[in-house]
Amino acid sequence: EIVLTQSPTTMAASPGEKVTLTCRASSSVSYMHWYQQKSGASPKLWIYDTSNRASGVPNRFSGSGSGTSYSLTISSMETEDAATYYCQQWSSNPYTFGAGTKLELK
Amino acid sequence: EVQLVESGGGLVQPGRSLKLSCAASGFTFSNYYMAWVRQAPKKGLEWVATISTSGSRTYYPDSVKGRFTISRDNAKSSLYLQMNSLKSEDTATYYCARDTADYWGQGVMVTVSS
Repeated sequence: EIVLTQSPTTMAASPGEKVTLTCRASSSVSYMHWYQQKSGASPKLWIYDTSNRASGVPNRFSGSGSGTSYSLTISSMETEDAATYYCQQWSSNPYTFGAGTKLELK
Repeated sequence: EVQLVESGGGLVQPGRSLKLSCAASGFTFSNYYMAWVRQAPKKGLEWVATISTSGSRTYYPDSVKGRFTISRDNAKSSLYLQMNSLKSEDTATYYCARDTADYWGQGVMVTVSS
């Protein structure tokens, strides 16, 4: 089973601040998906195939990485970006999720 | 507009069974793999099952293999999850998701408790 380790677990960022969330895989994966989940709501696909923004996702979000190291970056934090972000791999069964990074507004 | 609407959740005793349904609309259901993902209260996400377009292939993690069965009815654009021998650790919100989770339903709560 591929274990995905996200860091940090929790962080707070000020409006306008650059934010980077990381996801490390215990074995190499072909690509990574990222999901955004706000309290009480269903998750939403945010970044797919490592670096592609899902429909409606602002271009301040970007994804990158390869092999065992992936990241999601927000170029300039906005209020609406406060949420929990999960990485996930669909490369290898079982299709595992990271534990999530809770991003709060400072 | 893609819509996924789950139903069938509720309170069930340990060891009993429950069947979840997901009604899909807004896309050609038979063209997509489908999946179930769950989230225990205040916890992260866990993939539960995936089914191929025809239903001939199914995939499960060890945590539910042998107890859960995913199925589909393409004529009805519906996805199902039959859950047997339920345990307290199966308590979660269950989400229906299209393919590699590009769309999610609103979720349905399953509580396993005596």
